[in-house]
Amino acid sequence: SQTIHQWPATLVQPVGSPLSLECTVEGTSNPNLYWYRQAAGRGLQLLFYSVGIGQISSEVPQNLSASRPQDRQFILSSKKLLLSDSGFYLCAWSKQGSAPYEQYFGPGTRLTVT
Amino acid sequence: DAKTTQPPSMDCAEGRAANLPCNHSTISGNEYVYWYRQIHSQGPQYIIHGLKNNETNEMASLIITEDRKSSTLILPHATLRDTAVYYCIALRSGTYKYIFGTGTRLKVLA
Repeated sequence: SQTIHQWPATLVQPVGSPLSLECTVEGTSNPNLYWYRQAAGRGLQLLFYSVGIGQISSEVPQNLSASRPQDRQFILSSKKLLLSDSGFYLCAWSKQGSAPYEQYFGPGTRLTVT
Repeated sequence: DAKTTQPPSMDCAEGRAANLPCNHSTISGNEYVYWYRQIHSQGPQYIIHGLKNNETNEMASLIITEDRKSSTLILPHATLRDTAVYYCIALRSGTYKYIFGTGTRLKVLA
């Protein structure tokens, strides 16, 4: 069966510090991968998605970036965090194909920028 | 992708059916209707999806109107564990962009 991992579960970082969040998927190959952010009390905001290694689509211009160095690894990064980067970060995967497939979400990382 | 509209909140008594509506009046012929839910502090969970026909699985039923302009998610016997935010999404075939709105906050009351 497929499993999606995210770490760390929680993170407290000062403003201006760098960020690296990692997501890995097991039990499937060539998945679509996604990063979302959810601010407190708000809906999910799609940040990035990837349909293959090295292929990243950005949905919202900001100081975050994403990379996909391996087929089942997706990394979210920032060089300098802002207070507004605080939130709940979720990684998700879906199968590829012509029909849209359901997404499966990881447990999330709760980031607090102080 | 079509915009979806949901009521911000609903209450339902435990053991009763919860009927969550979704309006997607601009939906096109190749857009699917997907439902997810998010329990507090967890990632969203897929529930069900459909294109034209009504669908049922072990979690819920999805009723899509004949003109496809609206749909209803039915939880037949709501439990306290069904308290969550429910998201309705219209998703075009071949797209990878899932746009989550603010959803409906369902509270199941004991």
